[in-house]
Amino acid sequence: NAGVTQTPKFRILKIGQSMTLQCTQDMNHNYMYWYRQDPGMGLKLIYYSVGAGITDKGEVPNGYNVSRSTTEDFPLRLELAAPSQTSVYFCASSNTGGTNEKLFFGSGTQLSVL
Amino acid sequence: GESVGLHLPTLSVQEGDNSIINCAYSNSASDYFIWYKQESGKGPQFIIDIRSNMDKRQGQRVTVLLNKTVKHLSLQIAATQPGDSAVYFCAENEDGAGNNRKLIWGLGTSLAVNP
Repeated sequence: NAGVTQTPKFRILKIGQSMTLQCTQDMNHNYMYWYRQDPGMGLKLIYYSVGAGITDKGEVPNGYNVSRSTTEDFPLRLELAAPSQTSVYFCASSNTGGTNEKLFFGSGTQLSVL
Repeated sequence: GESVGLHLPTLSVQEGDNSIINCAYSNSASDYFIWYKQESGKGPQFIIDIRSNMDKRQGQRVTVLLNKTVKHLSLQIAATQPGDSAVYFCAENEDGAGNNRKLIWGLGTSLAVNP
């Protein structure tokens, strides 16, 4: 199994540009999450989804949007990129939302906004 | 070697030594704690977890110790190997219902294993 796959791995954006970070998982997990990781910091939850058609805000949702049309896919949209969104973005999934469920992470997307 | 994970983010040990990575958590009501390992260029991977009704839990070459009195968590790695070089994150859960989206992540400690 591929697990959680993120694309692209790297991207440079100009201020004001938009882009979509792709995330897909093949484990039939219901829960999916988007995190950002700033240098020397812990992970911050941006958005999460408990199943197809259901999404909700995490700790730092401003400047981002998500959708969950299928169980497998959970794209993250940046509409007007800002330098503050320079970060490494991780998508994760889990079978349920309980804390006894491990999170499975993708390998990340490194985004720079210049 | 020993490290206060949140404020001294780098720990350097010799191959074969035992490593101790420390983490201070913030909420006395947290009832679940996890350690994740993040290798360079990869996403975090689950290592071991512990619930607040336990003081110690062992895995393969890893042991997690929980001291609720001082709100301290540690990860011990026995016979550290070069493949253990990574950033180690602790996370606590403040949601008594047990909810992944309520995880609070620490800053991480970078472990470097010298051959």
